[in-house]
Amino acid sequence: SYDLTQPPSVSVSPGQTARITCSGDALPKKYAYWYQQKLGQVPLMVISKDTQRPSGIPERFSGSSSGTTVTLTITGVQAEDEADYYCQSIDRNGDYVLFGGGTKLTVL
Amino acid sequence: QVQLLQSGAEVKEPGASVKVSCQASGYTLSDYHMHWVRQAPGQGLQWMGILNVSSGFSTYAQIFEGRITMTRDTSTNTVYMTLSSLTSEDTAVYFCARDTIGGELAERAFDIWGQGTMITVA
Repeated sequence: SYDLTQPPSVSVSPGQTARITCSGDALPKKYAYWYQQKLGQVPLMVISKDTQRPSGIPERFSGSSSGTTVTLTITGVQAEDEADYYCQSIDRNGDYVLFGGGTKLTVL
Repeated sequence: QVQLLQSGAEVKEPGASVKVSCQASGYTLSDYHMHWVRQAPGQGLQWMGILNVSSGFSTYAQIFEGRITMTRDTSTNTVYMTLSSLTSEDTAVYFCARDTIGGELAERAFDIWGQGTMITVA
């Protein structure tokens, strides 16, 4: 099976930069998306197609891609950014949606 | 305002089936594909399948094949997800989520989510 691998947790202090990675063999050929899910809320897309920021998402959120790894970067982390973050892509045939296991971002 | 309104929480016995509804407003239901995603307590997101609302054709995640059905009623702007042969492992919040692009193709990403429906199997 094809998996997307994320670190279970990342911790940063306010104002620092948080980087959350997601690895998968098909990522060089398939787009990745990132979702933020705060406690008790529904997921919210924060990055689309590897690097695009949807309307209304703060500029401190950015995405990048290199080989089999995509990265969500939050520059100047704020307390309100504390949440679970999920990467999402599709399988090699483009039929099935895949989610990473999620990364809990803790703002110290 | 585009919204997805889901049906309320349910408690089911093992072996039973559950049907969750998702009513769309603010856009034409058949213009966008619809997905279902679930999240077990304290766990991550799990994709269940996609419904081409226009054609009625569905693709299901292999893990659910044989016990999941996605349907729609365009007259009421509602899509449905039925999951059968429930076990305790199906206890989760179930979300409907709209695909990001309209038309025949699906991007297989999600821009609008329902509020979630808690299904407890006990």
